[in-house]
Amino acid sequence: EAQVTQNPRYLITVTGKKLTVTCSQNMNHEYMSWYRQDPGLGLRQIYYSMNVEVTDKGDVPEGYKVSRKEKRNFPLILESPSPNQTSLYFCASSQRDSSYEQYFGPGTRLTVT
Amino acid sequence: QKEVEQNSGPLSVPEGAIASLNCTYSDRGSQSFFWYRQYSGKSPELIMFIYSNGDKEDGRFTAQLNKASQYVSLLIRDSQPSDSATYLCAVNMNRDDKIIFGKGTRLHILP
Repeated sequence: EAQVTQNPRYLITVTGKKLTVTCSQNMNHEYMSWYRQDPGLGLRQIYYSMNVEVTDKGDVPEGYKVSRKEKRNFPLILESPSPNQTSLYFCASSQRDSSYEQYFGPGTRLTVT
Repeated sequence: QKEVEQNSGPLSVPEGAIASLNCTYSDRGSQSFFWYRQYSGKSPELIMFIYSNGDKEDGRFTAQLNKASQYVSLLIRDSQPSDSATYLCAVNMNRDDKIIFGKGTRLHILP
């Protein structure tokens, strides 16, 4: 089954404790992306990757890191989480052609206290 | 600032009627346009995409694109209660591979 998986689905952590949210896709997609979704602010792109070892900032990259060492994986790293990073996070992937028809993972609800 | 604007709603439409959702975008160079549906507590799912001016139909859904006026719309014919969701408009700002989403329009189909 073609899918995007994220782990964990739910996470409660404390300020400053480094964490990683994993994202994996089995569709051989070149393009992968991380979004955060907040009430009233909609879905905002954090980082995206056009292929292995190629990443770029989206609209809200501050406080986040990503890496793309393998085509299927695109982890999101919060080196020192803060309460304003409490949000619902989505990973998505697509072919990198003219389409960018993105398939979304199930989401990770992160709470930073 | 590149933006995608949508009316937040809620938009209430009687069952069986046509629901019309609109989206405007600021970057005239935008190339690809998408409509996603998101049920409460779920992830967005792609329902339509359009690249060329004009209409594109898929079942009960029709996407309309007018690049000169910088708007894209989604029509849902014969609206069903299961169409009640938030509809997200997304635009590929082609020059840099970014995808910008609007804040979404909440659609409520009245039985």
